[in-house]
Amino acid sequence: KAGVTQTPRYLIKTRGQQVTLSCSPISGHRSVSWYQQTPGQGLQFLFEYFSETQRNKGNFPGRFSGRQFSNSRSEMNVSTLELGDSALYLCASSLPSGEMFFGPGTRLTVL
Amino acid sequence: DQQVKQNSPSLSVQEGRISILNCDYTNSMFDYFLWYKKYPAEGPTFLISISSIKDKNEDGRFTVFLNKSAKHLSLHIVPSQPGDSAVYFCAASFSGTYKYIFGTGTRLKVLA
Repeated sequence: KAGVTQTPRYLIKTRGQQVTLSCSPISGHRSVSWYQQTPGQGLQFLFEYFSETQRNKGNFPGRFSGRQFSNSRSEMNVSTLELGDSALYLCASSLPSGEMFFGPGTRLTVL
Repeated sequence: DQQVKQNSPSLSVQEGRISILNCDYTNSMFDYFLWYKKYPAEGPTFLISISSIKDKNEDGRFTVFLNKSAKHLSLHIVPSQPGDSAVYFCAASFSGTYKYIFGTGTRLKVLA
């Protein structure tokens, strides 16, 4: 079974721009979560989607948004990029038991 | 307020010996816990989970122990191998929420 895939793997943007990241979960997994990893803050929960509905949201500003499609694929959007948004963005899909499997991440650099 | 803490930022262990990674949590309502290892520039790799209805779960060389009264869990790796050198994260959630709080990680170095 293929794992979680994320595209693109690397992105360089400038302040003020917006970015969209994509995630394809493991086949059959309906829950998709997004996390931000930075050296100072570790892994921070962004949001979780199930059947196209956002079920949980972390403490991030409204510039961070996401959605999930009927095939469980998910996208995350960050608008008006700031330097502090530079991070590794990780997508994970989950079994009903709660076990969570991460993709390789998208490394976003904001200049 | 850090609800999940890994107080040891790093740990070095000789190959073949036991590695013990510790994790403390503050919210007694957490009832599902995961451990991950992470190599640089890769996503975290799931290792093992434990539910609060158990106090131990074992999978090959990895065993996780949960002490609910102490709000403490630990991951034991026996025997440790050089390929185990990575950063290890514990994560906690309220079961069914799929929202995990992660610790800050412990960097394990297994010396050959």
